Amino acid sequence: NAGVTQTPKFRILKIGQSMTLQCTQDMNHNYMYWYRQDPGMGLKLIYYSVGAGITDKGEVPNGYNVSRSTTEDFPLRLELAAPSQTSVYFCASSQEITGGGETQYFGPGTRLLVL
Amino acid sequence: AQSVTQLDSQVPVFEEAPVELRCNYSSSVSVYLFWYVQYPNQGLQLLLKYLSGSTLVKGINGFEAEFNKSQTSFHLRKPSVHISDTAEYFCAVSVGGNNRKLIWGLGTSLAVNP
Repeated sequence: NAGVTQTPKFRILKIGQSMTLQCTQDMNHNYMYWYRQDPGMGLKLIYYSVGAGITDKGEVPNGYNVSRSTTEDFPLRLELAAPSQTSVYFCASSQEITGGGETQYFGPGTRLLVL
Repeated sequence: AQSVTQLDSQVPVFEEAPVELRCNYSSSVSVYLFWYVQYPNQGLQLLLKYLSGSTLVKGINGFEAEFNKSQTSFHLRKPSVHISDTAEYFCAVSVGGNNRKLIWGLGTSLAVNP
């Protein structure tokens, strides 16, 4: 199993450009997440999904959109890139278990620089 | 509101010395507790977690943590660290079993020096 894969690994965008960060998992997990990680700020949840066709906002959703058409894929869309979106983005997945406490499995991250 | 505080942002330590990374949380309801590790330029991976049962939890790479309900703490320990333990360590809490919104600490950077 490849686990959680993310593409690209690194990208430079100009202000106002758009892009899609790809995330795929091959573990058949029903939950998927997008986080951003800024230096010294820990992880902030952007969006999450509990299954195909179902998405919901996290702590910092502004400026982002997601879709979940399949169990495997959970792309993150930036429509109008801004310097404040310079960050490292992590996708994660987990499988719901009775009673909660699931382990999240993370991808290697996408480093985004907006200039 | 629930929160997680990692009391040390940076912990320098010599190789083979013991280490403790501290984590406190605030919650009035039951919690699940996690420690994740992030090696340089990688994603996070689970070290260990407490769901219920024994308050002493053993994880990978020789790490362990103790859940202390009265102190609302979940400190991570290792009796003898190795250079390869150099990484960022994150404590996280899910409240009431709702894993969809983990509350994350800001991280502790562990630097193991020879």
